[in-house]
Amino acid sequence: GEDVEQSLFLSVREGDSSVINCTYTDSSSTYLYWYKQEPGAGLQLLTYIFSNMDMKQDQRLTVLLNKKDKHLSLRIADTQTGDSAIYFCAEIPGNQFYFGTGTSLTVIP
Amino acid sequence: DAEITQSPRHKITETGRQVTLACHQTWNHNNMFWYRQDLGHGLRLIHYSYGVQDTNKGEVSDGYSVSRSNTEDLPLTLESAASSQTSVYFCASKGPNTEAFFGQGTRLTVV
Repeated sequence: GEDVEQSLFLSVREGDSSVINCTYTDSSSTYLYWYKQEPGAGLQLLTYIFSNMDMKQDQRLTVLLNKKDKHLSLRIADTQTGDSAIYFCAEIPGNQFYFGTGTSLTVIP
Repeated sequence: DAEITQSPRHKITETGRQVTLACHQTWNHNNMFWYRQDLGHGLRLIHYSYGVQDTNKGEVSDGYSVSRSNTEDLPLTLESAASSQTSVYFCASKGPNTEAFFGQGTRLTVV
C-alpha cells in the first residue's frame, strides 16, 4: 500500500503556533486532507487542499503542499486547548484512501 | 442529512464468540471501509468494498470478514473473537475523489 507518514506526538503552549507535518507517496491524489479526531470521537474533516495548490488558508489553519517533495503540513495559529486532538493527514487517489498514523497534539495551558 | 452510523457503540464479548459490527450509510457511496484504531498503530485497514458484491482484504484482515449485499451496509464479522481484536473500529464511506465520512466508532472489548 501507499505510505503516509507523520510524527506521533507534538506539544505546544497555548497561544503558540503548531505545525504538523506529513509525507506521502502517491502523486495521483486529487485532494489531500487533514482530519481531526477528538477523544472518544470519530474522525472529522478539518480541511483539504487541491493538489494543484501550494497553500490554503482557512481562519487559523494554513495548509502547505510541496508536491515536489510530497510534503504536506498543517499550521494552526494561536493554538487553543480545544485544539488538543489527533490529526491525520490522508491522500485519497480515486476510490481508495490512505491515512497517516496520526499526530497527537497536546496544548499546554 | 446524509450520515454514516455504526452500531453498537460499545460491545463486550467473550473469546471465541462470533460478533458482527454494523455500518450503515445514507450517502449512496459505493466505497466503504473498515478500520481498526490501536495505540501506536494509527488506523489500519481491515476490509473494503467498492460496490455491491465486491469485498477486498486490507492489511489486517485475518479473523475478519465482510459482506456487501446492498449499497448502504457493510457489516464486519469477527468469526471467533480473540483478545487481540480488542480495539476501536471505524467504518467510513466515500465517493470517487471525495472526502471520506466516518462513523463514530465501535469500542469492542474481547474478554
